[in-house]
Amino acid sequence: DQQVKQNSPSLSVQEGRISILNCDYTNSMFDYFLWYKKYPAEGPTFLISISSIKDKNEDGRFTVFLNKSAKHLSLHIVPSQPGDSAVYFCAASDGGGTSYGKLTFGQGTILTVHP
Amino acid sequence: EAQVTQNPRYLITVTGKKLTVTCSQNMNHEYMSWYRQDPGLGLRQIYYSMNVEVTDKGDVPEGYKVSRKEKRNFPLILESPSPNQTSLYFCASSPRTSPSGYTFGSGTRLTVV
Repeated sequence: DQQVKQNSPSLSVQEGRISILNCDYTNSMFDYFLWYKKYPAEGPTFLISISSIKDKNEDGRFTVFLNKSAKHLSLHIVPSQPGDSAVYFCAASDGGGTSYGKLTFGQGTILTVHP
Repeated sequence: EAQVTQNPRYLITVTGKKLTVTCSQNMNHEYMSWYRQDPGLGLRQIYYSMNVEVTDKGDVPEGYKVSRKEKRNFPLILESPSPNQTSLYFCASSPRTSPSGYTFGSGTRLTVV
């Protein structure tokens, strides 16, 4: 039973445009959400996070939106750059925003940004 | 340099031959975890540990063992590997409180024939 789902296996966008990556979850106990980015032959690296007490968090070109009623979050990248091409994973935790012992990931979305 | 180190990076083995993948972190993190990455399934948690001698099952623990005898090390043991354990494995660590979750190692590509 996949509690965190990324239903789009891939996304292709033009450089300079917006990339929107989506993530849905089923467990209402999740209260902290993270996005990770992964390049080939490397481990995932943290990108941005959001607590369930917020509905938006920004960090430079990256913004994460959380819609708790829909159990949906999205990552916006504006403007997209070729270096953003990677696999993006959504992850969720029910540890109160501090404990990540059990961190559940989605299937990942491959983002390709064309020059 | 702060890092999570896994060894080996690549491993090909035969069915039934016990193997251990080592993981070490130099950040004094309390939490450590093992994940496997498979196409279409993303990252799935195998086991995690919240401190020395404290471990718990993740979502896919069958066929794996772990131990946490020291804070810095968290080896993954496959006592009788099978072909369905062919996968890309990641070790990760985190402090007890952290807004950025886990720091991951570079991965171990395991093939069981």
